[in-house]
Amino acid sequence: DVKVTQSSRYLVKRTGEKVFLECVQDMDHENMFWYRQDPGLGLRLIYFSYDVKMKEKGDIPEGYSVSREKKERFSLILESASTNQTSMYLCASSLGWGRGTDTQYFGPGTRLTVL
Amino acid sequence: KNEVEQSPQNLTAQEGEFITINCSYSVGISALHWLQQHPGGGIVSLFMLSSGKKKHGRLIATINIQEKHSSLHITASHPRDSAVYICAVSSNTGTASKLTFGTGTRLQVTL
Repeated sequence: DVKVTQSSRYLVKRTGEKVFLECVQDMDHENMFWYRQDPGLGLRLIYFSYDVKMKEKGDIPEGYSVSREKKERFSLILESASTNQTSMYLCASSLGWGRGTDTQYFGPGTRLTVL
Repeated sequence: KNEVEQSPQNLTAQEGEFITINCSYSVGISALHWLQQHPGGGIVSLFMLSSGKKKHGRLIATINIQEKHSSLHITASHPRDSAVYICAVSSNTGTASKLTFGTGTRLQVTL
């Protein structure tokens, strides 16, 4: 089974702090994604990566950056956390372009609260 | 208007009832996905389909490409089916296949 893990289930940070959310997948997937999920808005794509060191902006990239130095690991960085970034953050991975399926496998989520 | 619309937003059913959740989309897609999210956050993929119908246990998913509409049916519903069901459509960007999500249908099945 594919396993996607996230570094924390719950995180509380203060306004202005730099925040790192880590995601690791163990199935050699090419693609990795970061989403945030808010009530009434559903999941929205922040950034995705289709290869090591390659990234593309999603629908709501403002205030976030990402890093993918190794294939299995995709990090989401909040450079200066703000209260409007309080949300559930979900990581996902998928096999990759032209590899037969685009089913995404999700991590358990990190509930981030910014005070 | 959202690209992916689900109805109803909330649904309460009694154990044993037949349940239908609907999804309409307004964009061209390569596939449609149904996902399940239990309390606590974890999301699992139930179905990916681009035509016709798929069945897995008590769950059935159908799609009508011409009408841009999909339904998820649950037969003989059970309290353990209580979850949020999310419809998503995938489109190809040239670098990856991205998902656009509906806002979900919260299902509560009572005894």
